[in-house]
Parts: sequence; structure tokens; C-alpha cells
Amino acid sequence: EAEVAQSPRYKITEKSQAVAFWCDPISGHATLYWYRQILGQGPELLVQFQDESVVDDSQLPKDRFSAERLKGVDSTLKIQPAELGDSAMYLCASSFGPGQGRSNTQYFGPGTRLTVL
Amino acid sequence: AQSVTQLGSHVSVSEGALVLLRCNYSSSVPPYLFWYVQYPNQGLQLLLKYTTGATLVKGINGFEAEFKKSETSFHLTKPSAHMSDAAEYFCAVSVGSGGSNYKLTFGKGTLLTVNP
Repeated sequence: EAEVAQSPRYKITEKSQAVAFWCDPISGHATLYWYRQILGQGPELLVQFQDESVVDDSQLPKDRFSAERLKGVDSTLKIQPAELGDSAMYLCASSFGPGQGRSNTQYFGPGTRLTVL
Repeated sequence: AQSVTQLGSHVSVSEGALVLLRCNYSSSVPPYLFWYVQYPNQGLQLLLKYTTGATLVKGINGFEAEFKKSETSFHLTKPSAHMSDAAEYFCAVSVGSGGSNYKLTFGKGTLLTVNP
């Protein structure tokens, strides 16, 4: 069964350092999502891509976070500089997009657990 | 804007007992509703979803949920709890059609503990 891949699974960094997370969605899924999940909370959407275009980044802290999906397949989320409050699980999900005529169910990867010291 | 409220951040049941996890939603348009399960340090796995049609939805691992529009609820149930059901459960709502983006809004989660 196809799965969403993410790496690394765990990342420990010091504040003010740069970190990057990678996501490879399920093949054929046009829509890719990055969520942040703080311990004890539900996931919150950071950014959503339709192919290579951003369709929603309203909750992305753009002064330090950036995301790209250059070829409309895999994606990278970057934080620079990292702050203590960025410690969280970063989840990637993918789905068929509007216009693909398929279910919009989102499938999640295993996540990257970030700890900022 | 849509929102989800999960009543009870922690539910504890005995093995073999009924599991009931509560979810209420708010949406100005007909919603799509989902339940996901998350095991420690893992991603979210889809349990079941409601889009349209039959209001009683059956999912994996013996779980089911009923969409009640009049009560704006989508409670998750399982007749008999198993130790392997211990995990965190998230209810989510999505609205959208045509070219919109089907953004998921999650509740805060309910941690299910199963006692032997």
C-alpha cells in the first residue's frame, strides 16, 4: 500500500539553527499539506500545495518558516532560525486534489518530531 | 469557519467495555467528517469518514460513527474495547467543493486508555 514518506523521523537542534524536513506524498496525489502538532493538541495546517502552487499558507510564520514543492511532487519545509516554541511534531499529508475526481481523504506520513534546545 | 469540539481529553475503559468518544462540530455548510487514530510517535491513520449518504459509517478495527445533523455530532463507538485500541483519537471536519481546498480542522484529541 502506498504511503507518505517523511524524513528525518526525529530531529534535535539548538535554537537559532536551521532545520529542514522532507516529504514524499503518495504517487498521483496533487495536494500536499504540512501540519504542526504541538504535544497534547490536534494538528494545525501550516501550508497547503496544489501541485507546485501554494493555496493556503495563512498560518505559516513566514518570518522563519518556508516551504516549497518545486516539481509538484516532494516537498521541503524549512525553519530558520529555530526557536524553542517550534518543538512539535511536523506532519505531512497528501490527497487527490479538486479536479482529480477522486476522494479528498488526506493520508498522513509518520511525522518528524522536532526538539529545539 | 468550521470547528470541532471533542468532549473529554481522556477516556478510560475496561477491556471488553463499550468505547464512546464524543465529537461535535460547527460548520456553515454540509461538512465532511473524519476520525483519525494516532499511536505514540506516529502519524495519523484514518479510521472512518462521512461524506454524504448513509449516516452510520463503519470503519476499520470495529469502529463506527453516526452523523447526526440535528445534534451536530459525529460520535465514535466500538462495542468492545481491546488493549490495542489504546491511542489518541482525533475528530476532524472539512468543508469544500469544486476548486476549494478541503482544509481539515481537528479537535484537540481524546486519549483512550484501556484497562485489563
